[in-house]
Amino acid sequence: GAGVSQSPSNKVTEKGKDVELRCDPISGHTALYWYRQSLGQGLEFLIYFQGNSAPDKSGLPSDRFSAERTGGSVSTLTIQRTQQEDSAVYLCASSLQGAHGELFFGEGSRLTVL
Amino acid sequence: SQQGEEDPQALSIQEGENATMNCSYKTSINNLQWYRQNSGRGLVHLILIRSNEREKHSGRLRVTLDTSKKSSSLLITASRAADTASYFCATDARTGANSKLTFGKGITLSVRP
Repeated sequence: GAGVSQSPSNKVTEKGKDVELRCDPISGHTALYWYRQSLGQGLEFLIYFQGNSAPDKSGLPSDRFSAERTGGSVSTLTIQRTQQEDSAVYLCASSLQGAHGELFFGEGSRLTVL
Repeated sequence: SQQGEEDPQALSIQEGENATMNCSYKTSINNLQWYRQNSGRGLVHLILIRSNEREKHSGRLRVTLDTSKKSSSLLITASRAADTASYFCATDARTGANSKLTFGKGITLSVRP
């Protein structure tokens, strides 16, 4: 595709349910990032992939959060046993040069945990 | 940790005026980038300035970098109502093999028609 694609764009779930958020990066971009943005806040780094490996997963808030990337392309962020504080917009970005160059962001997945 | 911190948090100006936004950071960097976010949308890259550069221009945008003061500024000249958005600075810190951008909390710019 032309840009970074994220799905779903909106997800409403009940506390305790699991959710999966998907990111389809720009073709050929080896670096992929997940960030979280709470209402009116900046971006909180979650995890960085280079190819299929994750050299930096230091931002994952708890062991309820996990992410994988397969085939050096699509990535899935999974949140297990969701809590209300998980409500946020989850943004994915991809890049050719990692943080040494421009990041291309998707439109985000808005998660609301009731 | 919050590497970049923008100042002011909010800015309201009249169309045609210039908007100046500042960013300070804490550790040595490879580059500093500015992004823009319209309400409810993803972030869009505006400009990147490397640690060995002092000033960069792109259209109506001018970015400066002072590594001795660990600060950067973004100037938008002749602002337009369409410039209304949130602006974020982001730094690529020198942390070896890992490569991630750390973002500030952003500046909300309102340009009044």
